[in-house]
Amino acid sequence: TQLLEQSPQFLSIQEGENLTVYCNSSSVFSSLQWYRQEPGEGPVLLVTVVTGGEVKKLKRLTFQFGDARKDSSLHITAAQPGDTGLYLCAGMYSSASKIIFGSGTRLSIRP
Amino acid sequence: DADVTQTPRNRITKTGKRIMLECSQTKGHDRMYWYRQDPGLGLRLIYYSFDVKDINKGEISDGYSVSRQAQAKFSLSLESAIPNQTALYFCATRGTSRGEQFFGPGTRLTVL
Repeated sequence: TQLLEQSPQFLSIQEGENLTVYCNSSSVFSSLQWYRQEPGEGPVLLVTVVTGGEVKKLKRLTFQFGDARKDSSLHITAAQPGDTGLYLCAGMYSSASKIIFGSGTRLSIRP
Repeated sequence: DADVTQTPRNRITKTGKRIMLECSQTKGHDRMYWYRQDPGLGLRLIYYSFDVKDINKGEISDGYSVSRQAQAKFSLSLESAIPNQTALYFCATRGTSRGEQFFGPGTRLTVL
């Protein structure tokens, strides 16, 4: 069974703190996406990483793809209440026909 | 206007009823997907289509069927709804080889 495990499952922190969310698999992906989902809405694409070791920044969010393209992390600096939501990672296999999603990290930022 | 739309947004139905969820897109993408989301289980793939003549089963296709009426339209049917099909259902499109997907707003389905 091909799995994409996210950790932690839940995270509640104070505004201004930093946090890291992890996405791990034993499989190699040709690309990996991170999405953010708010209640009552569909997931919205944040970033795609393709190259092993790649780092991408989106304002206070930093995304890293592992060297072996099996794992990824999302780091948020100085979290704000607007960062609250469900963060999902999704990995695409090289066949380009299969994409799997992690179970998500539910993030809550307390003012 | 939203690029990916889903109707209805909410639906309550009874066990045994047949229902259809519809998805339309204006992104011009060939690839379309139907997912189901349950708490703690992330998104699970029901069916996907790479063009009008290409329909493929996902990991949880039992109890569901789909129809790709046109490039822009992909509908999901539950032939005889059962309570454990209560979930959020999302349609998505993909236009590139990199895996990026664009999701509709979802349909909340409750089967009593």
